[in-house]
Amino acid sequence: AQSVTQLGSHVSVSEGALVLLRCNYSSSVPPYLFWYVQYPNQGLQLLLKYTTGATLVKGINGFEAEFKKSETSFHLTKPSAHMSDAAEYFCAVSDLGYGGSQGNLIFGKGTKLSVKP
Amino acid sequence: NAGVTQTPKFQVLKTGQSMTLQCAQDMNHEYMSWYRQDPGMGLRLIHYSVGAGITDQGEVPNGYNVSRSTTEDFPLRLLSAAPSQTSVYFCASSPTPRGPKNIQYFGAGTRLSVL
Repeated sequence: AQSVTQLGSHVSVSEGALVLLRCNYSSSVPPYLFWYVQYPNQGLQLLLKYTTGATLVKGINGFEAEFKKSETSFHLTKPSAHMSDAAEYFCAVSDLGYGGSQGNLIFGKGTKLSVKP
Repeated sequence: NAGVTQTPKFQVLKTGQSMTLQCAQDMNHEYMSWYRQDPGMGLRLIHYSVGAGITDQGEVPNGYNVSRSTTEDFPLRLLSAAPSQTSVYFCASSPTPRGPKNIQYFGAGTRLSVL
Protein backbone atom coordinates (compact mmCIF):
# COMPACT_ATOMS: atom_id res chain seq x y z
CA ALA A 1 0.00 0.00 0.00
CA GLN A 2 1.12 3.52 -0.70
CA SER A 3 1.85 6.03 2.01
CA VAL A 4 3.33 9.49 2.39
CA THR A 5 5.24 10.90 5.33
CA GLN A 6 5.89 14.59 5.71
CA LEU A 7 8.55 15.37 8.28
CA GLY A 8 7.62 18.34 10.41
CA SER A 9 4.06 19.56 10.83
CA HIS A 10 5.31 23.14 11.18
CA VAL A 11 8.29 24.82 9.55
CA SER A 12 9.26 28.42 10.18
CA VAL A 13 11.75 30.36 8.06
CA SER A 14 12.79 33.98 7.72
CA GLU A 15 11.94 35.93 4.62
CA GLY A 16 14.69 35.36 2.06
CA ALA A 17 15.82 32.07 3.60
CA LEU A 18 15.80 28.66 1.97
CA VAL A 19 12.57 26.70 2.21
CA LEU A 20 12.89 22.91 2.56
CA LEU A 21 9.80 20.77 3.13
CA ARG A 22 10.41 17.05 3.39
CA CYS A 23 8.37 14.25 1.90
CA ASN A 24 9.08 10.52 1.85
CA TYR A 25 6.84 8.01 0.16
CA SER A 26 6.28 4.29 0.18
CA SER A 27 5.10 2.59 -2.99
CA SER A 28 5.57 -0.87 -4.47
CA VAL A 29 5.09 0.43 -7.99
CA PRO A 30 6.50 3.46 -9.80
CA PRO A 31 4.90 6.42 -8.11
CA TYR A 32 3.54 9.67 -9.40
CA LEU A 33 4.26 12.42 -6.90
CA PHE A 34 2.59 15.75 -6.33
CA TRP A 35 2.89 18.80 -4.12
CA TYR A 36 -0.22 20.82 -3.39
CA VAL A 37 -0.48 24.15 -1.56
CA GLN A 38 -3.39 25.38 0.55
CA TYR A 39 -3.65 29.05 1.39
CA PRO A 40 -5.79 29.99 4.41
CA ASN A 41 -9.49 29.30 3.95
CA GLN A 42 -9.00 27.99 0.43
CA GLY A 43 -8.94 24.66 -1.34
CA LEU A 44 -5.76 22.94 -2.47
CA GLN A 45 -4.03 23.79 -5.74
CA LEU A 46 -1.30 21.95 -7.59
CA LEU A 47 2.23 23.27 -7.08
CA LEU A 48 4.15 20.69 -9.14
CA LYS A 49 4.20 17.03 -10.09
CA TYR A 50 6.64 14.27 -11.01
CA THR A 51 5.53 11.61 -13.45
CA THR A 52 8.49 10.29 -15.45
CA GLY A 53 11.67 11.68 -16.98
CA ALA A 54 13.58 14.54 -15.41
CA THR A 55 13.85 14.06 -11.66
CA LEU A 56 14.10 17.78 -10.89
CA VAL A 57 10.67 19.29 -11.33
CA LYS A 58 9.90 22.99 -11.38
CA GLY A 59 6.57 24.35 -10.26
CA ILE A 60 4.80 27.61 -9.76
CA ASN A 61 6.00 30.47 -7.57
CA GLY A 62 9.67 29.42 -7.76
CA PHE A 63 9.25 26.05 -6.04
CA GLU A 64 10.95 22.89 -7.21
CA ALA A 65 11.22 19.30 -6.04
CA GLU A 66 13.61 16.47 -6.75
CA PHE A 67 12.55 12.84 -7.06
CA LYS A 68 15.15 10.56 -5.49
CA LYS A 69 14.19 6.94 -5.98
CA SER A 70 17.03 5.57 -3.86
CA GLU A 71 15.92 7.69 -0.91
CA THR A 72 12.16 7.41 -1.69
CA SER A 73 11.98 11.16 -1.27
CA PHE A 74 10.38 14.10 -3.03
CA HIS A 75 11.44 17.16 -1.01
CA LEU A 76 10.14 20.61 -1.91
CA THR A 77 12.50 23.58 -1.99
CA LYS A 78 12.53 27.27 -2.75
CA PRO A 79 15.77 29.29 -2.63
CA SER A 80 14.27 32.43 -1.08
CA ALA A 81 11.07 32.54 0.95
CA HIS A 82 8.48 35.28 0.49
CA MET A 83 5.81 36.28 2.98
CA SER A 84 3.23 35.15 0.43
CA ASP A 85 4.56 31.55 0.68
CA ALA A 86 2.97 31.14 4.11
CA ALA A 87 0.54 28.27 3.62
CA GLU A 88 0.09 24.58 4.25
CA TYR A 89 1.82 22.21 1.84
CA PHE A 90 0.75 18.67 1.09
CA CYS A 91 2.74 15.92 -0.58
CA ALA A 92 0.71 13.25 -2.38
CA VAL A 93 1.34 9.99 -4.24
CA SER A 94 -0.63 8.14 -6.88
CA ASP A 95 -0.05 5.24 -9.21
CA LEU A 96 -1.72 3.52 -12.14
CA GLY A 97 -3.94 1.39 -9.95
CA TYR A 98 -2.40 -2.02 -10.60
CA GLY A 99 -1.52 -4.77 -8.14
CA GLY A 100 -4.36 -4.14 -5.73
CA SER A 101 -3.92 -0.38 -5.56
CA GLN A 102 -6.91 1.76 -6.44
CA GLY A 103 -4.59 4.46 -7.69
CA ASN A 104 -6.30 7.18 -5.69
CA LEU A 105 -4.27 10.14 -4.55
CA ILE A 106 -2.85 9.56 -1.06
CA PHE A 107 -1.99 12.72 0.88
CA GLY A 108 0.52 13.33 3.61
CA LYS A 109 -0.60 15.08 6.79
CA GLY A 110 0.70 18.44 5.64
CA THR A 111 3.39 20.93 6.68
CA LYS A 112 2.41 24.42 7.69
CA LEU A 113 5.01 26.96 6.53
CA SER A 114 5.38 30.24 8.41
CA VAL A 115 7.54 33.05 7.03
CA LYS A 116 8.93 35.61 9.46
CA PRO A 117 9.71 39.16 8.30
CA ASN B 1 -14.76 29.06 -15.87
CA ALA B 2 -16.08 28.28 -12.38
CA GLY B 3 -14.13 25.02 -11.86
CA VAL B 4 -15.38 23.14 -8.78
CA THR B 5 -18.18 24.79 -6.82
CA GLN B 6 -19.17 23.70 -3.33
CA THR B 7 -22.20 24.81 -1.36
CA PRO B 8 -22.77 25.75 1.37
CA LYS B 9 -19.51 27.31 2.61
CA PHE B 10 -20.50 26.97 6.26
CA GLN B 11 -23.06 24.82 8.05
CA VAL B 12 -23.98 24.09 11.65
CA LEU B 13 -26.00 20.96 12.38
CA LYS B 14 -27.40 19.34 15.45
CA THR B 15 -26.59 15.72 16.21
CA GLY B 16 -28.90 13.45 14.26
CA GLN B 17 -29.79 15.92 11.53
CA SER B 18 -29.18 15.07 7.90
CA MET B 19 -27.91 17.28 5.13
CA THR B 20 -26.43 17.25 1.66
CA LEU B 21 -23.21 18.97 0.66
CA GLN B 22 -23.36 19.99 -2.96
CA CYS B 23 -20.50 19.79 -5.46
CA ALA B 24 -20.55 20.71 -9.13
CA GLN B 25 -17.79 20.92 -11.74
CA ASP B 26 -17.90 22.40 -15.22
CA MET B 27 -14.71 20.84 -16.64
CA ASN B 28 -16.30 17.60 -17.90
CA HIS B 29 -14.06 15.59 -15.58
CA GLU B 30 -14.69 11.86 -15.19
CA TYR B 31 -13.33 11.58 -11.68
CA MET B 32 -14.79 13.29 -8.63
CA SER B 33 -14.02 12.78 -4.99
CA TRP B 34 -14.85 13.93 -1.49
CA TYR B 35 -12.26 14.46 1.23
CA ARG B 36 -12.43 15.54 4.82
CA GLN B 37 -9.65 17.60 6.37
CA ASP B 38 -9.01 17.47 10.08
CA PRO B 39 -6.12 19.13 11.96
CA GLY B 40 -2.98 17.00 11.81
CA MET B 41 -4.68 14.35 9.68
CA GLY B 42 -4.20 15.69 6.19
CA LEU B 43 -6.92 14.89 3.66
CA ARG B 44 -8.74 11.60 3.89
CA LEU B 45 -10.79 10.21 1.03
CA ILE B 46 -14.46 9.60 1.83
CA HIS B 47 -15.99 8.49 -1.47
CA TYR B 48 -15.11 8.81 -5.11
CA SER B 49 -16.65 8.34 -8.54
CA VAL B 50 -15.01 7.43 -11.84
CA GLY B 51 -18.04 8.41 -13.89
CA ALA B 52 -21.80 8.88 -13.86
CA GLY B 53 -23.48 5.97 -12.10
CA ILE B 54 -20.24 4.64 -10.58
CA THR B 55 -19.18 5.32 -7.00
CA ASP B 56 -16.87 3.63 -4.54
CA GLN B 57 -15.72 3.97 -0.96
CA GLY B 58 -12.54 5.63 0.13
CA GLU B 59 -10.69 5.49 3.42
CA VAL B 60 -13.42 6.90 5.72
CA PRO B 61 -16.87 6.22 4.18
CA ASN B 62 -18.93 5.45 7.29
CA GLY B 63 -21.82 7.85 7.87
CA TYR B 64 -21.73 9.26 4.34
CA ASN B 65 -23.56 8.45 1.11
CA VAL B 66 -22.91 9.61 -2.43
CA SER B 67 -24.48 9.31 -5.85
CA ARG B 68 -23.42 10.42 -9.32
CA SER B 69 -26.35 10.84 -11.66
CA THR B 70 -24.59 13.32 -13.96
CA THR B 71 -20.98 14.04 -14.89
CA GLU B 72 -21.23 17.50 -13.31
CA ASP B 73 -22.67 16.80 -9.86
CA PHE B 74 -21.46 14.71 -6.94
CA PRO B 75 -23.41 15.40 -3.73
CA LEU B 76 -22.33 14.08 -0.34
CA ARG B 77 -25.06 13.12 2.12
CA LEU B 78 -24.71 12.94 5.88
CA LEU B 79 -27.44 10.58 7.01
CA SER B 80 -27.42 11.29 10.76
CA ALA B 81 -24.82 13.85 11.71
CA ALA B 82 -22.47 13.14 14.61
CA PRO B 83 -19.96 15.45 16.36
CA SER B 84 -17.14 13.30 14.88
CA GLN B 85 -18.19 14.59 11.46
CA THR B 86 -17.22 18.14 12.37
CA SER B 87 -14.62 18.88 9.71
CA VAL B 88 -13.81 20.77 6.55
CA TYR B 89 -15.05 18.94 3.46
CA PHE B 90 -13.47 19.31 0.06
CA CYS B 91 -14.78 18.15 -3.27
CA ALA B 92 -12.31 17.62 -6.10
CA SER B 93 -12.42 16.62 -9.74
CA SER B 94 -9.81 15.25 -12.13
CA PRO B 95 -9.68 14.30 -15.82
CA THR B 96 -8.66 10.78 -14.87
CA PRO B 97 -8.96 8.65 -11.71
CA ARG B 98 -5.33 7.63 -11.42
CA GLY B 99 -1.80 7.97 -12.69
CA PRO B 100 0.19 10.95 -13.92
CA LYS B 101 -2.82 12.93 -15.14
CA ASN B 102 -4.62 12.61 -11.81
CA ILE B 103 -4.36 16.35 -11.16
CA GLN B 104 -7.16 17.21 -8.81
CA TYR B 105 -8.97 20.54 -8.84
CA PHE B 106 -10.44 21.44 -5.48
CA GLY B 107 -13.44 23.42 -4.41
CA ALA B 108 -13.16 26.05 -1.68
CA GLY B 109 -14.52 23.72 0.98
CA THR B 110 -17.50 23.42 3.32
CA ARG B 111 -16.89 24.01 7.01
CA LEU B 112 -19.27 21.81 8.98
CA SER B 113 -19.88 21.89 12.72
CA VAL B 114 -22.05 19.26 14.40
CA LEU B 115 -23.21 20.16 17.88
